[in-house]
Amino acid sequence: DTGVSQDPRHKITKRGQNVTFRCDPISEHNRLYWYRQTLGQGPEFLTYFQNEAQLEKSRLLSDRFSAERPKGSFSTLEIQRTEQGDSAMYLCASSSEPLEKLFFGSGTQLSVL
Amino acid sequence: GENVEQHPSTLSVQEGDSAVIKCTYSDSASNYFPWYKQELGKRPQLIIDIRSNVGEKKDQRIAVTLNKTAKHFSLHITETQPEDSAVYFCAAQKGNAGNMLTFGGGTRLMVKP
Repeated sequence: DTGVSQDPRHKITKRGQNVTFRCDPISEHNRLYWYRQTLGQGPEFLTYFQNEAQLEKSRLLSDRFSAERPKGSFSTLEIQRTEQGDSAMYLCASSSEPLEKLFFGSGTQLSVL
Repeated sequence: GENVEQHPSTLSVQEGDSAVIKCTYSDSASNYFPWYKQELGKRPQLIIDIRSNVGEKKDQRIAVTLNKTAKHFSLHITETQPEDSAVYFCAAQKGNAGNMLTFGGGTRLMVKP
């Protein structure tokens, strides 16, 4: 499968713990996006990178959230001091140019107990 | 920022009937409108998209129409089949800084055999 891959697929953690997710975009795509999706809702934009530069962050992204894309390839999303409200599906997507098709990964389902 | 409204939230049709899902957007600068299909537990998958310089686009049984003046766009599925059952999301994107998709709330389509 040469699509967007995310790891892990599922993560269960206790409130207050830190978690980190990884996303590997399609190799030739220079743009990488993180979205969050809760049950019954559409994906909500969190942040996006063009190559290694983080160009935009949503107001949804609190100080407990940090994302990196150090070499312009894979990206990580870390949530510190998780809260129950962080429980959601975290989706990564990539594209090659603006206005080009966005391809999503299968997501990481986070459950905070 | 952009706001995308989608309706209906649920739609039930008989196999072979047509289904129409409608979306409105708020930002007249939006110029790219994709539609995604998401089956339970799976990633959102792009099924069709339209750019603002086009009024209609068709791909086999699915079509999308765009009315820029009214700021609304619609997804039409003809000859529905049980495998069309899924959640469908519309989205809007501006071509300038940010380039993130703003999604509608989704429509759960159920095709009854």
